[in-house]
Amino acid sequence: NAGVTQTPKFRVLKTGQSMTLLCAQDMNHEYMYWYRQDPGMGLRLIHYSVGEGTTAKGEVPDGYNVSRLKKQNFLLGLESAAPSQTSVYFCASGGKETQYFGPGTRLLVL
Amino acid sequence: SQQGEEDPQALSIQEGENATMNCSYKTSINNLQWYRQNSGRGLVHLILIRSNEREKHSGRLRVTLDTSKKSSSLLITASRAADTASYFCATTTGANSKLTFGKGITLSVRP
Repeated sequence: NAGVTQTPKFRVLKTGQSMTLLCAQDMNHEYMYWYRQDPGMGLRLIHYSVGEGTTAKGEVPDGYNVSRLKKQNFLLGLESAAPSQTSVYFCASGGKETQYFGPGTRLLVL
Repeated sequence: SQQGEEDPQALSIQEGENATMNCSYKTSINNLQWYRQNSGRGLVHLILIRSNEREKHSGRLRVTLDTSKKSSSLLITASRAADTASYFCATTTGANSKLTFGKGITLSVRP
């Protein structure tokens, strides 16, 4: 099992560009999450999903959109990237308790 | 906003020593979890303790929970250089599964 995978691993964007981060899990988990991690801030929840076709806002959802069309995939979109979105993005999946994290996507917005 | 706050922010010990890390939180919880993050990697779940439990063990890890003080501690016994990482506490509250993380503790274990 691959667990949780994230694509891409690293990306550089210019301000105003758009991109989609892909998260895939092969553990048949219902719940999936997108976090961002910034120095000194810990992890903050962006959006999450409690099942296929459902999404909900987390702590810092502004500037991001998500979709969960298939149970195994959770996409995070940036429609118009801003320098404040420079961060490391982590996807996680799980049941009602423990979460399993992907390796992260490092995003730099210039 | 952070629910959990870890203490200390950084800890440096010698290999073989024990490492104790603390976490305090603000509101009632369902459970508290500890995660480890190696540099440049994702988080890895270490241990979960429920609100009705006071102590749990897993290998060299011991976690305690004091709900009256809204605090938890993680003890790593006989530390190894490979334990060098950041450690995060995270809590769940209410009926949902969302985790709220603290800012983390950086542990350095010197060989």
